[in-house]
Amino acid sequence: GAGVSQTPSNKVTEKGKYVELRCDPISGHTALYWYRQSLGQGPEFLIYFQGTGAADDSGLPNDRFFAVRPEGSVSTLKIQRTERGDSAVYLCASSFGTSGANEQFFGPGTRLTVL
Amino acid sequence: AQSVTQPDIHITVSEGASLELRCNYSYGATPYLFWYVQSPGQGLQLLLKYFSGDTLVQGIKGFEAEFKRSQSSFNLRKPSVHWSDAAEYFCAVGARGGGADGLTFGKGTHLIIQP
Repeated sequence: GAGVSQTPSNKVTEKGKYVELRCDPISGHTALYWYRQSLGQGPEFLIYFQGTGAADDSGLPNDRFFAVRPEGSVSTLKIQRTERGDSAVYLCASSFGTSGANEQFFGPGTRLTVL
Repeated sequence: AQSVTQPDIHITVSEGASLELRCNYSYGATPYLFWYVQSPGQGLQLLLKYFSGDTLVQGIKGFEAEFKRSQSSFNLRKPSVHWSDAAEYFCAVGARGGGADGLTFGKGTHLIIQP
């Protein structure tokens, strides 16, 4: 079956612009996660959805970052007034159920470059 | 809050030799433990996971890991590496209880295979 997909695969933008990154989880997965991976680092947790609601947004770095999942499937990560430090690969993952023991399946990521 | 330390940034191993990648975690109880592999241009793939029970867990691609509570470690091993094992390896922990929380990753170990 289809895995987690993310679009676009690459996004180049200018400092101060607004960007949206999209994630399509595996069908039937109720949990969805966003992570950010900077060069030479491991993924860093940003936000987790259970259904339509954000169950934990403690990893969002500041109020320029926002994410939605209005119908409990596709999610969009939104970054306002982008800064050069936002440049990273943004990873999305999904899992089935509500247990932390469930495997998270990762998408290929969106590489964001802020000039 | 939990944390993960992967002490080795790079490891070089000859093809056919054995491999051990180190992972130490910090958490108040026994966490969920994971090893992921990331190849160039590929998404993160789960190699194996530990939740409870037998402390030696088997994974895909011939990998295994041993959970040692007394050392707060979860080291990854393989008896004989192949050139295709060259990749970035990440250890991760997940909190128990509550829900499907986001994972905390280490910074990764870059594995280089010498012919």
